[in-house]
Amino acid sequence: GQNIDQPTEMTATEGAIVQINCTYQTSGFNGLFWYQQHAGEAPTFLSYNVLDGLEEKGRFSSFLSRSKGYSYLLLKELQMKDSASYLCAVRAKAAGNKLTFGGGTRVLVKP
Amino acid sequence: EPEVTQTPSHQVTQMGQEVILRCVPISNHLYFYWYRQILGQKVEFLVSFYNNEISEKSEIFDDQFSVERPDGSNFTLKIRSTKLEDSAMYFCASFPSGQGGTDTQYFGPGTRLTVL
Repeated sequence: GQNIDQPTEMTATEGAIVQINCTYQTSGFNGLFWYQQHAGEAPTFLSYNVLDGLEEKGRFSSFLSRSKGYSYLLLKELQMKDSASYLCAVRAKAAGNKLTFGGGTRVLVKP
Repeated sequence: EPEVTQTPSHQVTQMGQEVILRCVPISNHLYFYWYRQILGQKVEFLVSFYNNEISEKSEIFDDQFSVERPDGSNFTLKIRSTKLEDSAMYFCASFPSGQGGTDTQYFGPGTRLTVL
């Protein structure tokens, strides 16, 4: 089976940096995804890691360590619109390439 | 940019009734999925569909659920006899190739199902 853990909630100040950690246990790892989800809306893709290291996309970066079963999403220069839930999801090497999601981390950006 | 669409956006039904949720995946995608998210909880995988058959399903996807691709564009989820606990947001997703890599699953806007 798969188990994914991430903090429930984080608060940060506008303009600051926040790091959201995700730990996972899975068989047949085939990539880790980060999605952003605003309340009542669908998840939207932010980043993807399958090899160890850092992937940078503008204000967002994501890091993966497969040996540690660990990833983080780094949000820089926080803006009020970044207040949302951030979902860590793992893809398995199985017939359907399904995604298994963590519970999400709700980030509240304060002025 | 192509996107996944879903109808209706909100469905209210009585317990025991059948509902059909509809999705139009992105046209050149090969894998299709249904996920659900109960209010305040995590997104949960229900079923994946490839080459006109189910490729994987979760424990949630029991006999009351079925999926179908009745034509070249629509992908439907049917719940035969709805229960109160089926109230959730249902997301359809599609995936380009099924070969992994950087391809990601694209999610539709969701259908909010309310069972009374």
